[in-house]
Amino acid sequence: GAGVSQSPSNKVTEKGKDVELRCDPISGHTALYWYRQRLGQGLEFLIYFQGNSAPDKSGLPSDRFSAERTGESVSTLTIQRTQQEDSAVYLCASSLVSGYSNQPQHFGDGTRLSIL
Amino acid sequence: AQTVTQSQPEMSVQEAETVTLSCTYDTSENNYYLFWYKQPPSRQMILVIRQEAYKQQNATENRFSVNFQKAAKSFSLKISDSQLGDTAMYFCAFMISNRDDKIIFGKGTRLHILP
Repeated sequence: GAGVSQSPSNKVTEKGKDVELRCDPISGHTALYWYRQRLGQGLEFLIYFQGNSAPDKSGLPSDRFSAERTGESVSTLTIQRTQQEDSAVYLCASSLVSGYSNQPQHFGDGTRLSIL
Repeated sequence: AQTVTQSQPEMSVQEAETVTLSCTYDTSENNYYLFWYKQPPSRQMILVIRQEAYKQQNATENRFSVNFQKAAKSFSLKISDSQLGDTAMYFCAFMISNRDDKIIFGKGTRLHILP
């Protein structure tokens, strides 16, 4: 079956531009997560959705970052006025439910974002 | 706050050897999960093994096993009979049970399996 799909796989843009990253979770997965992985660093939690609502936005690094999810399916992560420090791989994951930690998170291949 | 520390940024071993990746964590919680994730060059994150903190028995998955020392807050991964396909970044991760499912990751260990 299809796994978590992210698009684009690579994005190069100029500093100051807005970017939108997309995540298609596994069908039926109600929980969806966004992580950021800077070069040489571990994964950094950004935000997670339970259905279409985001109970925990504490990981968003600044107000330039926002995310939404519709139809308990597709999610978009938007970065406005991009800065060079936003360059990273952005990973999306989904799981069947949240609040039951024995449900593993399935990850997409990520979007590599490069800010020139 | 929960933290996960992987003290080995990079390791190399010969094919067929056994290798152990170390991980320590810090938490005041009693009920939690620990994970090892593998990230090959494709960037896909793959769950290798999972351990529930309330279980004393160490988890095993084929060639992969863990040494879970709860008192010492240590969670090392042992790969037996290593294969070229094991070459990847390995992340140790921690999650509090029945909370917000936010996973805390270590910085990773880059493992090279040499032919």
